[in-house]
Amino acid sequence: QSALTQPASVSGSPGQSITISCTGTSSDVGGYNYVSWYQQHPGKAPKLMIYDVSNRPSGVSNRFSGSKSGNTASLTISGLQAEDEADYYCSSFTTSSTLGVFGTGTKVTVL
Amino acid sequence: QLQLQESGPGLVKPSETLSLTCTVSGGSISSTSYYWGWIRQPPGKGLEWIGNIYYAGSTYYNPSLNSRVIISVDTSKNQFSVKLSSVTAADTAVYYCARSRDGFLFDYWGQGTLVTVSS
Repeated sequence: QSALTQPASVSGSPGQSITISCTGTSSDVGGYNYVSWYQQHPGKAPKLMIYDVSNRPSGVSNRFSGSKSGNTASLTISGLQAEDEADYYCSSFTTSSTLGVFGTGTKVTVL
Repeated sequence: QLQLQESGPGLVKPSETLSLTCTVSGGSISSTSYYWGWIRQPPGKGLEWIGNIYYAGSTYYNPSLNSRVIISVDTSKNQFSVKLSSVTAADTAVYYCARSRDGFLFDYWGQGTLVTVSS
């Protein structure tokens, strides 16, 4: 099972919106509404930001939103802030030989 | 507030077995709603799922590690553990334990522990 494909880096200025894509197949992203997104600051554990494609856990800012179209899921960060600078990973349930798979990761830089 | 804490040796010799334990506090590992998982991250690289276990003992493993990994649970101690055999330098990573819910999502994570494989 290959990792889901994400862009290596995305950048934006404070206040702008950015979108991170996560591309899989019909066996994972496209087949189920079980896409999650994680934020990871350097030296820290990942933090769940979005689950089931578009749901936010309690305490996560509504500047973070998720969506999906076909085999590609997306995470949008609106009103970009300096604290949003981090690595972001998507994940998805899959019916392949493994239970699930993570994305390759995207480094978000706030200019 | 649920908390998870990894523990175990930070240095393992090549060909030996890596063993880590995750202690869960603030909640019961025997909850029927959750699985418990291990994820690792080599230095400077992405996340790799190792496997999940249910409190009753059923397990799911990453096929790429399946032949070398065993995850077990001790409900009396509210702990679960991972053993990875025949380690090489490629197994050097930060190892995280986490709570897992349906749909392959991890909502609570331990802080992670770095395990280095070196002689």
